[in-house]
Amino acid sequence: GAGVSQTPSNKVTEKGKYVELRCDPISGHTALYWYRQSLGQGPEFLIYFQGTGAADDSGLPNDRFFAVRPEGSVSTLKIQRTERGDSAVYLCASSLTNSGLGSEQYFGPGTRLTVT
Amino acid sequence: AQKVTQAQTEISVVEKEDVTLDCVYETRDTTYYLFWYKQPPSGELVFLIRRNSFDEQNEISGRYSWNFQKSTSSFNFTITASQVVDSAVYFCALSEMRTGNQFYFGTGTSLTVIP
Repeated sequence: GAGVSQTPSNKVTEKGKYVELRCDPISGHTALYWYRQSLGQGPEFLIYFQGTGAADDSGLPNDRFFAVRPEGSVSTLKIQRTERGDSAVYLCASSLTNSGLGSEQYFGPGTRLTVT
Repeated sequence: AQKVTQAQTEISVVEKEDVTLDCVYETRDTTYYLFWYKQPPSGELVFLIRRNSFDEQNEISGRYSWNFQKSTSSFNFTITASQVVDSAVYFCALSEMRTGNQFYFGTGTSLTVIP
C-alpha cells in the first residue's frame, strides 16, 4: 500500500516568506507527527496529532510554526516569516494505534526546505 | 540533556565483517520503548525494530541482532556479514511513557560498507 507522502520534496524560499508543507499519512493511521532534521542530526519532534487535534505541540520552536489537520488525514505545516535557521528536512510520520506509546512510526521522504 | 546517545558518528567496515552500532539511552520512566531506524541515502527512515522496557530478550532477524541491557541502559545493534546495501545512517530512538508519543532520536551512526 501507499506510504506516507510529502509535498513538495524540495522548497526554496526567501527569508521572510511564508511556506506550507503537506503530509499525506498512511490511510487509516490516526496519529500523525512532524519532525525536523538538520544536517548531521537525528529528527527532532515538532508536533503530534491524534485525529484532528494537536495532542502535543511542545516541540514547535516558536509561534512562527503552526500545523493543522482539519479532517484528520492530511496535515499542513505552516511556517511564517521564514528564517535561514529554518532550513532543514521536515519529516512527517504516521502510526496506527491511538495510544501512541510503543507504536512504530512510518516516515515519509521529507521536504527539504532551504531559506535563502 | 541528550536522551539517546550514539557515540559512533561514522563507521567503515569491509564487506562481510560484523559491525555493532552502540546506543545508550537515559530515562526516568519504567515504561518505555526503544527503536532502531535505517536512513539510506534516499533519505526515508525505515523502521527496523521496537523493544519495550519489560522485554530484555535479545532478538535476531536474519543478519541483524539487537542486544538490550537495562543494567547499562544500552540497546546495541549488530549486523553480521555486512553488505554494501547496509550502508546508511542508523538511528536509535526512545519513546517514554511520561512524554508519550514523541520519539527522541540519537544523532545517528553513518555506516559505510566497503566492497
